[in-house]
Amino acid sequence: DGGITQSPKYLFRKEGQNVTLSCEQNLNHDAMYWYRQDPGQGLRLIYYSQIVNDFQKGDIAEGYSVSREKKESFPLTVTSAQKNPTAFYLCASSIMGRRQIQETQYFGPGTRLLVL
Amino acid sequence: AQSVTQPDIHITVSEGASLELRCNYSYGATPYLFWYVQSPGQGLQLLLKYFSGDTLVQGIKGFEAEFKRSQSSFNLRKPSVHWSDAAEYFCVLSGGYQKVTFGTGTKLQVIP
Repeated sequence: DGGITQSPKYLFRKEGQNVTLSCEQNLNHDAMYWYRQDPGQGLRLIYYSQIVNDFQKGDIAEGYSVSREKKESFPLTVTSAQKNPTAFYLCASSIMGRRQIQETQYFGPGTRLLVL
Repeated sequence: AQSVTQPDIHITVSEGASLELRCNYSYGATPYLFWYVQSPGQGLQLLLKYFSGDTLVQGIKGFEAEFKRSQSSFNLRKPSVHWSDAAEYFCVLSGGYQKVTFGTGTKLQVIP
């Protein structure tokens, strides 16, 4: 079955620690996205990537970093600079149409990050 | 600037009753609109989408939505709600390449 996987389901971070959230897709999609979800605020875009070795900042990129070394993988690192990291993190992907209009995004199951 | 408003934070309906979740958008051109559903602690699942053409869109799980340009709305409906429909629902607007705006969500509670 094709889909998006995220791991771990729950992640705990200590003060000053960097943590990395995994996102893998086998849908052969070009574009991948990371969102942060806080109660009552909907989803906010952290980073997105249109193609391997390229990524762009979203609306709330400060305190986060990403890499896109492989088409199927788009890991997110929450750095110690992110002062309020407790949230639900969702990864998504989309096909990337030739006309570059927004494609339907498909979501992974999410990772909940908690601070100790 | 584009925006999406879901005016109802929380809605409670009885099982078997009809449902309508409201979504209003602001955008200067033809929008691409989506409805997603999220069960607790899970990712988002696409219910339906509107790109163009017929303004009444059918989706999965018996849901439908109607695009009304004159009212800037894209309300989600279901004629008879099941207990398994209890979840949070998000209206999403795409205003072009990489410009996606999520509504704040409506939590649906279904009572027996």
